[in-house]
Amino acid sequence: GDSVTQMEGPVTLSEEAFLTINCTYTATGYPSLFWYVQYPGEGLQLLLKATKADDKGSNKGFEATYRKETTSFHLEKGSVQVSDSAVYFCALRGAGGTSYGKLTFGQGTILTVHP
Amino acid sequence: EAQVTQNPRYLITVTGKKLTVTCSQNMNHEYMSWYRQDPGLGLRQIYYSMNVEVTDKGDVPEGYKVSRKEKRNFPLILESPSPNQTSLYFCASSPYGGGPGNTIYFGEGSWLTVV
Repeated sequence: GDSVTQMEGPVTLSEEAFLTINCTYTATGYPSLFWYVQYPGEGLQLLLKATKADDKGSNKGFEATYRKETTSFHLEKGSVQVSDSAVYFCALRGAGGTSYGKLTFGQGTILTVHP
Repeated sequence: EAQVTQNPRYLITVTGKKLTVTCSQNMNHEYMSWYRQDPGLGLRQIYYSMNVEVTDKGDVPEGYKVSRKEKRNFPLILESPSPNQTSLYFCASSPYGGGPGNTIYFGEGSWLTVV
């Protein structure tokens, strides 16, 4: 079945540092890929998405590129802020059938940014 | 405003006392589902529904029941809660058509503690 693997956390950075959170996936067909963010005490927010190979999703300075050849969707940001401290989830959505509406999530990566 | 509304948001209950977490969406979506979030495991799908009166098990259905009598509502029922069901629960909805890149909307989450 489908699966998503995220880099082990937690990740601790200083403000203005470069961020990479690795995400790889296993799926049949052509899934859509997502990054969700969960700020402390809050629900899930969609951060960005990509629906086909080589697509780049971007939002709030974050970027991720759908790499089918390496089955990866790594999240990057050039300069993190304290306000980016949150839990980040990589997820995929299957292309059809009963998996259509289902998101398969990675285990989440806790990011803490210090001033 | 497009919304998925869950209630209660926070609940502490005792082992064996039946409880229901309600979920309602105002977007006329066909597909609804429930997830639980646990540290180090990400989010896992409990049950899903592709339309009224059509429900099926997700990845972790044991100890849960659902019903879909109306399109907008998808309650999660814990007939006899146990401490291992202590978790953060999310309801989600999405339209069925339009491709896997369609946005999946999440509720704000329900923190459930079973003592």
